[in-house]
Amino acid sequence: AQSVSQHNHHVILSEAASLELGCNYSYGGTVNLFWYVQYPGQHLQLLLKYFSGDPLVKGIKGFEAEFIKSKFSFNLRKPSVQWSDTAEYFCAVSPNQAGTALIFGKGTTLSVSS
Amino acid sequence: GAVVSQHPSWVICKSGTSVKIECRSLDFQATTMFWYRQFPKQSLMLMATSNEGSKATYEQGVEKDKFLINHASLTLSTLTVTSAHPEDSSFYICSATPRAGLMNTEAFFGQGTRLTVV
Repeated sequence: AQSVSQHNHHVILSEAASLELGCNYSYGGTVNLFWYVQYPGQHLQLLLKYFSGDPLVKGIKGFEAEFIKSKFSFNLRKPSVQWSDTAEYFCAVSPNQAGTALIFGKGTTLSVSS
Repeated sequence: GAVVSQHPSWVICKSGTSVKIECRSLDFQATTMFWYRQFPKQSLMLMATSNEGSKATYEQGVEKDKFLINHASLTLSTLTVTSAHPEDSSFYICSATPRAGLMNTEAFFGQGTRLTVV
């Protein structure tokens, strides 16, 4: 069965610090990879996605993620976080097949202090 | 991007009653929609896959008689929580993928429905 593991449950950073959130998945076939963000009281928003091609993916709000196939990883990074980045971050995976659901990691709470 | 709308955003109901949650794709057709459940401080857990014109596929451990799913049209799926109990209180989220017959498409999520059973 597919699974997604996010290593950090809660990350606390000061503004301007660099961020890296780990995500590993288990699935033997080709996958689509996603990072979603959920701000307090709001619904999920897509940060970035990887389907194929360049393994370094740039998303919105200065976020990027790198797909390392050999490590089954898709870590999220941001060079300098802002207070407004405080949110819940979810890594998600789906097999590269039509009509399949996303499998989510447990999420990482990011708290950024100003 | 594509828009998925859920209604209601929040609902409070008495124990033993049923609650219906609607999920609509506003500007695209979705032959497949997905229903998730999110407990506080936890991740989204897939409950079921809703297929237009056919029976839903439920994940292991999800009671199909308790969580009734109907996908009557290409833009509407409904989740009915029957005989709700306090332990059913949760955040329910639907998602849909445009052009579900193709690969490499992004899923769009509804804003979620907060269900509180008292």
